[in-house]
Amino acid sequence: GQQLNQSPQSMFIQEGEDVSMNCTSSSIFNTWLWYKQDPGEGPVLLIALYKAGELTSNGRLTAQFGITRKDSFLNISASIPSDVGIYFCAGQRDSGSRLTFGEGTQLTVNP
Amino acid sequence: DAGITQSPRHKVTETGTPVTLRCHQTENHRYMYWYRQDPGHGLRLIHYSYGVKDTDKGEVSDGYSVSRSKTEDFLLTLESATSSQTSVYFCAISGGYKNIQYFGAGTRLSVL
Repeated sequence: GQQLNQSPQSMFIQEGEDVSMNCTSSSIFNTWLWYKQDPGEGPVLLIALYKAGELTSNGRLTAQFGITRKDSFLNISASIPSDVGIYFCAGQRDSGSRLTFGEGTQLTVNP
Repeated sequence: DAGITQSPRHKVTETGTPVTLRCHQTENHRYMYWYRQDPGHGLRLIHYSYGVKDTDKGEVSDGYSVSRSKTEDFLLTLESATSSQTSVYFCAISGGYKNIQYFGAGTRLSVL
């Protein structure tokens, strides 16, 4: 099945640094979602984007829906140790349709 | 976990044995999904349901069957478990605002 291209696959950063990750697709999506997964838990929704060009924030997290509808970006500012986990992007063509997931970005934050 | 309970949380079984995983929701959502998560593959859809007794295959459905006899329960069955089915299995539900999917805590299955 189709996968989204998510990069980077892993990141090792120092506490306080900013982080950027992105997802790209060859197909158009009408919804982009960003989830975070803590060890031993299920993915938790961070941000949902519904409109091309939309920029949405959730605390220190900011995500953007690419203008071409084929990509999305997630930024984390001033990282802290609890930001550690796997971040997944997901695209959805229509409400109720299947999600297509990226392979995830493993984030490690060194204190 | 958005009113989603997966059971069991951990299971170890032997090759060739049948295994059933349960997903129970208290949100009365229409859609329910089963995913598996493996290193290097992210989350892959096994089967999903769009209502009671209405199910369809996902991208990795071979070796799995599902049943949904009540809105709140979605069962995933491995008729004869194989080592390649060792994985972490996640249930998800959707049906609320914008049909966003919410995930359960997962079941870690080891097939020896």
